[in-house]
Amino acid sequence: EVQLVETGGGLVQPGNSLKLSCATSGFTFSTAWMNWIRQTPGKRLEWLAQIEDKSNNYFISYLESVKGRFTISRDDSKSSVYLQMNNLKEEDTAIYYCTSLAYWGQGTLVTVSS
Amino acid sequence: DVVLTQTPPTLSATIGQSVSISCRSSQSLLDSDGDTYLNWLLQRPGQSPQLLIYSVSNLESGVPNRFSGSGSETDFTLKISGVEAEDLGVYYCMQATHAPLTFGSGTKLEIK
Repeated sequence: EVQLVETGGGLVQPGNSLKLSCATSGFTFSTAWMNWIRQTPGKRLEWLAQIEDKSNNYFISYLESVKGRFTISRDDSKSSVYLQMNNLKEEDTAIYYCTSLAYWGQGTLVTVSS
Repeated sequence: DVVLTQTPPTLSATIGQSVSISCRSSQSLLDSDGDTYLNWLLQRPGQSPQLLIYSVSNLESGVPNRFSGSGSETDFTLKISGVEAEDLGVYYCMQATHAPLTFGSGTKLEIK
């Protein structure tokens, strides 16, 4: 059974940081291109970042508006992908999903509020 | 960025009825490799999105064949031939041809 489990969400004040983790199982993680996508309170889906696999030198791409604040990484030995989020803003409030696009986690809620 | 425009925003159907959802792209989604990276997702109430169809018309494993996708370049359609109760939710089109990956605004399917 395929599983993607995101953790690390919560309530954080503006300007603070948060690191999300996504532990996966049930598929060949090492060859999967992994993404972080968020869903805003208005239900809009927004792609944030992608990390390709080893054969593509772990190439990384970001949505322009989060470049410099968010950092995606992966650990193939743990079948996990991460999202480090710095200098968080209220507009970053959303449910954050990790996904290979074929498989999606259940999401973790990040709330940025003072 | 590529803008995907979905219509209608809401759809109400009876069980057994066939329905279609349109997704129009602001630019061609035909990639230089010859593939067209237009996918359809379903988000059921309280759940995360799930992939239904990839590359315009390919059914993801386990997805019932009452779902079908068609289209090319900038115009795409998702058809459900005989809606079932479990099909209610929000349908999103998504493109992965051009960076950044973008989504339509969704079509909410309600069951009468």
